[in-house]
Amino acid sequence: EPEVTQTPSHQVTQMGQEVILRCVPISNHLYFYWYRQILGQKVEFLVSFYNNEISEKSEIFDDQFSVERPDGSNFTLKIRSTKLEDSAMYFCASSETQAATGEQYFGPGTRLTVT
Amino acid sequence: AQTVTQSQPEMSVQEAETVTLSCTYDTSESDYYLFWYKQPPSRQMILVIRQEAYKQQNATENRFSVNFQKAAKSFSLKISDSQLGDAAMYFCAYELYNQGGKLIFGQGTELSVKP
Repeated sequence: EPEVTQTPSHQVTQMGQEVILRCVPISNHLYFYWYRQILGQKVEFLVSFYNNEISEKSEIFDDQFSVERPDGSNFTLKIRSTKLEDSAMYFCASSETQAATGEQYFGPGTRLTVT
Repeated sequence: AQTVTQSQPEMSVQEAETVTLSCTYDTSESDYYLFWYKQPPSRQMILVIRQEAYKQQNATENRFSVNFQKAAKSFSLKISDSQLGDAAMYFCAYELYNQGGKLIFGQGTELSVKP
């Protein structure tokens, strides 16, 4: 069964460094998402992406964050200058269609630790 | 603002018994969708069941069913004939129609199943 994959599984970085989290969505999916979960807190929506454009973004998704689909398979989340509070589990998801008719399939997550 | 609340951080059930996980949400909108996601230990989040707010009939998926009370803004998940493989973190989520697929999650309920 097709799955969303994410690399790396764990990333450690120093404060102020740039980090890129990578995701490979399911191949026929057209809608892509990033969520994060700070330890002990809720899973929070960051951004949704379709047709090479951001569809929706949350207040968390400020100028430090960007997303890109650099080729036909990858979907990336870049954090330009990481802060301690960016430490979290980051989940990528993809769906075939939007709205609730399109089930979002989640990846296993990347644990980002900022020191 | 839309919020989702799961008031039970942990629940436990005996194998083959029935358990109900609670979820309430707050919204002023009328067009939305509700979901239960399951996250087994160290595995991806997967969709268990979804409910469209305009449908009065409660959704069912095999051993999983919901009790959707729109006026009370309540959306509980019932798991019948619990199995060891049901042990996981369960997240209730809400999606407003036409908002870029943005899922709003509750805090999660960790379900353990006793043999």
